[in-house]
Amino acid sequence: AQSVTQPDIHITVSEGASLELRCNYSYGATPYLFWYVQSPGQGLQLLLKYFSGDTLVQGIKGFEAEFKRSQSSFNLRKPSVHWSDAAEYFCAVVPTGQGGKLIFGQGTELSVKP
Amino acid sequence: EPEVTQTPSHQVTQMGQEVILRCVPISNHLYFYWYRQILGQKVEFLVSFYNNEISEKSEIFDDQFSVERPDGSNFTLKIRSTKLEDSAMYFCASRVAGGNYGYTFGSGTRLTVV
Repeated sequence: AQSVTQPDIHITVSEGASLELRCNYSYGATPYLFWYVQSPGQGLQLLLKYFSGDTLVQGIKGFEAEFKRSQSSFNLRKPSVHWSDAAEYFCAVVPTGQGGKLIFGQGTELSVKP
Repeated sequence: EPEVTQTPSHQVTQMGQEVILRCVPISNHLYFYWYRQILGQKVEFLVSFYNNEISEKSEIFDDQFSVERPDGSNFTLKIRSTKLEDSAMYFCASRVAGGNYGYTFGSGTRLTVV
């Protein structure tokens, strides 16, 4: 079945530590890939997106993501986490040929400890 | 930076009542979407709207739901007879035409059905 999977529901990292949030997708053709962040009570902010080309994508707030076709993954990374990064992170896809709607993963809640 | 504006930010309604959630998309955007997020769950696609008609809808978007773009600027979601399970955060999004998929989300309307 077509799906977007974020295996980690909740992750806690120490401030200054590195971060990797996982995302896997299951679609016949590689979809367009996105990462969004949602702070408590707020809307969804786009961090970065991948359509084609260089598989390492740079985004806002120091985030990057790497597309790996062989693993059907699009993991989000940040070298050094700040306390303000605590939020919910959603991986999302736009499946090709399916009208342009975004399909979201379950989300990963990130906590940052001092 | 242009924004998608949603009103109200929070609405409480009695079960069985009709509610209208309002959105003002970005002016040069042509595709409009409604998504919902039940507390603690992922963001789910409800409906997409293009060229003054629904282009796609999910299984959630049953006969109780309708959308309208009444005046060329507003984009509304109506729930005819609300149920307790309609309690959720509702997000409006819009994007330009073409393959950019640069969605902009509003801050959401929290609907509480009592």
